[in-house]
Amino acid sequence: DARVTQTPRHKVTEMGQEVTMRCQPILGHNTVFWYRQTMMQGLELLAYFRNRAPLDDSGMPKDRFSAEMPDATLATLKIQPSEPRDSAVYFCASGLGQSDTQYFGPGTRLTVL
Amino acid sequence: QKEVEQNSGPLSVPEGAIASLNCTYSDRGSQSFFWYRQYSGKSPELIMFIYSNGDKEDGRFTAQLNKASQYVSLLIRDSQPSDSATYLCAVNIYSSASKIIFGSGTRLSIRP
Repeated sequence: DARVTQTPRHKVTEMGQEVTMRCQPILGHNTVFWYRQTMMQGLELLAYFRNRAPLDDSGMPKDRFSAEMPDATLATLKIQPSEPRDSAVYFCASGLGQSDTQYFGPGTRLTVL
Repeated sequence: QKEVEQNSGPLSVPEGAIASLNCTYSDRGSQSFFWYRQYSGKSPELIMFIYSNGDKEDGRFTAQLNKASQYVSLLIRDSQPSDSATYLCAVNIYSSASKIIFGSGTRLSIRP
């Protein structure tokens, strides 16, 4: 059955290293979202794309985070340099519109030491 | 005021009873409302969506929407231990370019 996939599922890295997370949205979905979830802040929207174009990245720390969609089947979220406060679960979700149902991937659990 | 607010819980309900989860939102122009369930260590999954005032039923779940009062609720009938999870309310916030904003979630515990 169709589902959103994310890699890696777990990532442990040291402060200052670059981290790249990847997401494959459900085929045919034209909207992709990146979220970060922590116990303290809950689920925060970092950025989203429609038809591969970035529509909003106001939730992202611009100096260290970047999000791209090189093609319709791949979305990436990069952190450079990473910091311990970036430790969280990062979810990718896809859907058919920004106000529509979102289908979440399994998440990438990031730990920055 | 947060755009989407939920009580964090935990809400403890005996097995077989009705669990009632509430959510309020700030933007009167909001049109789409969603309830997601998230088990510990898992990703959120959609339970129900509702667009119109009133009730919408799906099995043991009923979503209720009152746009005049700006709240949406989720009722779970005949609660089961497997319903123990965090329930996230999500609302499209019209004033924020119709972005979906999630509440912080209510942790529900069904006690046998």
